[in-house]
Amino acid sequence: DIVMTQTPLSSPVTLGQPASISCRSSQSLVHSDGNTYLSWLQQRPGQPPRLLIYKISNRFSGVPDRFSGSGAGTDFTLKISRVEAEDVGVYYCMQATQFPPSFGQGTKLEIK
Amino acid sequence: QLQLQESGSGLVKPSQTLSLTCAVSGGSISSGGYSWSWIRQPPGKGLEWIGYIYHSGSTYYNPSLKSRVTISVDRSKNQFSLKLSSVTAADTAVYYCARVGGFGELFKAFDYWGQGTLVTVSS
Repeated sequence: DIVMTQTPLSSPVTLGQPASISCRSSQSLVHSDGNTYLSWLQQRPGQPPRLLIYKISNRFSGVPDRFSGSGAGTDFTLKISRVEAEDVGVYYCMQATQFPPSFGQGTKLEIK
Repeated sequence: QLQLQESGSGLVKPSQTLSLTCAVSGGSISSGGYSWSWIRQPPGKGLEWIGYIYHSGSTYYNPSLKSRVTISVDRSKNQFSLKLSSVTAADTAVYYCARVGGFGELFKAFDYWGQGTLVTVSS
């Protein structure tokens, strides 16, 4: 099984400042079809997860453009250009390239 | 707007079977080639994928749970279901249902999620 490792596990950020979360997979996430099925999910307190980014860097419908994803192979990054209060929550990376799908352990974003 | 809503028993005794249903509204469970999935989250912990049912009806389960899991679909009611047998306290979690892209741009993306339902395993 592919193990997803996120860093940091906790990220205190000042409002209006950028934030960055890293995700590393134990194996390459490049699928045999050439795509990389790496997603980022946001879970606000008391809410279900919400899809933010799919296939490394594609923002899902309705996701603000302050969120961006990048990376390749085994190393991926989620960036928030200017953190807003509504961004507080836990962020998960997730791979669906290889069976079974797996999630990172989550990174808690909080405001300083 | 697609909506998913979980329902089922919130309290299950050890060794019994957990049963949950995910009702889909705002779209047909049979159209679009989507897959449908269950994911769980123990209190205060991370996410664990449980299984898929594909548009074709084929099912795929997490190997760690495979011997105890059954996912099925009822197209006439526009819903799909989860059964987890021989439960223990370790199965206590919030259970989520989700839609998964079956082809195209959102292939393999878990794009819509239900609100989740807490299932507690206790005598």
